[in-house]
Amino acid sequence: ETGVTQTPRHLVMGMTNKKSLKCEQHLGHNAMYWYKQSAKKPLELMFVYSLEERVENNSVPSRFSPECPNSSHLFLHLHTLQPEDSALYLCASSQDPTSGGANEQFFGPGTRLTVL
Amino acid sequence: GQNIDQPTEMTATEGAIVQINCTYQTSGFNGLFWYQQHAGEAPTFLSYNVLDGLEEKGRFSSFLSRSKGYSYLLLKELQMKDSASYLCAVRGLTGGGNKLTFGTGTQLKVEL
Repeated sequence: ETGVTQTPRHLVMGMTNKKSLKCEQHLGHNAMYWYKQSAKKPLELMFVYSLEERVENNSVPSRFSPECPNSSHLFLHLHTLQPEDSALYLCASSQDPTSGGANEQFFGPGTRLTVL
Repeated sequence: GQNIDQPTEMTATEGAIVQINCTYQTSGFNGLFWYQQHAGEAPTFLSYNVLDGLEEKGRFSSFLSRSKGYSYLLLKELQMKDSASYLCAVRGLTGGGNKLTFGTGTQLKVEL
């Protein structure tokens, strides 16, 4: 496996379900990110982990719970979601700190989530 | 905070040149990125500007003016495969993590 992978690619869940999204990066990066992408809206940064420590929580509802057990893996635990949470959830990784250079983020293919 | 504006849609002809503009208002600036996103796929990195001027990379170039809060992405010799959404993103100065704020994206359609 190379780059950034995400599983599952598609997920349909009820409002009372609990599920988890998984992200894995094979790039040797030390920062990982969760984004939400909804139609007609900008990519929204949800969480940032740098060196396995959460450094950003962008006012995300508590029904979304991230976990970063090591620098290669990132999870997003979901529970009691709402229909408006239906979106594409993208994971990304990069090198941090960004002292010089682009240190661009590399994105995974995303998980298309539908909440019924 | 950051505010980023870019046109919603653009149409251009195969073989032509197209310029996609991006303006931003920011409380701190540490670089501007352009990403390409084909429908149903992940965004992929195109370019990075942190100093004023033009960065050229093959058919794609990106320009930055920090004093004007303005960037553009220039695509030359357009091909059908260039039909995609082009995302402008600004990196802030906050410490810890490489945080980007994205615009809504410009959907480019390349026609014959």
